[in-house]
Amino acid sequence: DADVTQTPRNRITKTGKRIMLECSQTKGHDRMYWYRQDPGLGLRLIYYSFDVKDINKGEISDGYSVSRQAQAKFSLSLESAIPNQTALYFCATSGGQGGMNTEAFFGQGTRLTVV
Amino acid sequence: DAKTTQPTSMDCAEGRAANLPCNHSTISGNEYVYWYRQIHSQGPQYIIHGLKNNETNEMASLIITEDRKSSTLILPHATLRDTAVYYCIARGGSNYKLTFGKGTLLTVNP
Repeated sequence: DADVTQTPRNRITKTGKRIMLECSQTKGHDRMYWYRQDPGLGLRLIYYSFDVKDINKGEISDGYSVSRQAQAKFSLSLESAIPNQTALYFCATSGGQGGMNTEAFFGQGTRLTVV
Repeated sequence: DAKTTQPTSMDCAEGRAANLPCNHSTISGNEYVYWYRQIHSQGPQYIIHGLKNNETNEMASLIITEDRKSSTLILPHATLRDTAVYYCIARGGSNYKLTFGKGTLLTVNP
């Protein structure tokens, strides 16, 4: 099984619909992230969470919300999807000790299309 | 995090060493250099990271200049499966975020 699992892997939805992307991890990491990638661009950070009680906005959080249901689960919601949210979405986790970081582990991505 | 600069694309012959440069001239003393790669829309994969010393693991070697203003990722024997976008990231030790640029598209040719 993958360390970081995203569901669904592909989704087509209509403008105005609410949609949730889910992420679960088996790494035991406290830190989880949601990124978005558009064609030809690097990954951009949407939200990140240091632990269950700590949620932070990234550089492009408008139009998105998140929920950290447990240490292992971090979901991303689009309350009212719009076409320019069509993108590839990645969840990631990272750990660390004493405030230092280890490498990040990424899921395989969710390809979302808003029509 | 310090800004990094990488070439947009590079080519390498299969079986030869691939040397991917990265400039991070404004890197601060507590920032590590991380390398990730992304193979055709898959999730990015960690390769290696270092602070001052050169590092080697089963995937690659990382050479950091003495002044730490630049580094080179070396894939010693590139294969076709190494074709990917390679990202160089300068990241503070206590900074939990990874900031991705556009990376270098490495194409390994037969």
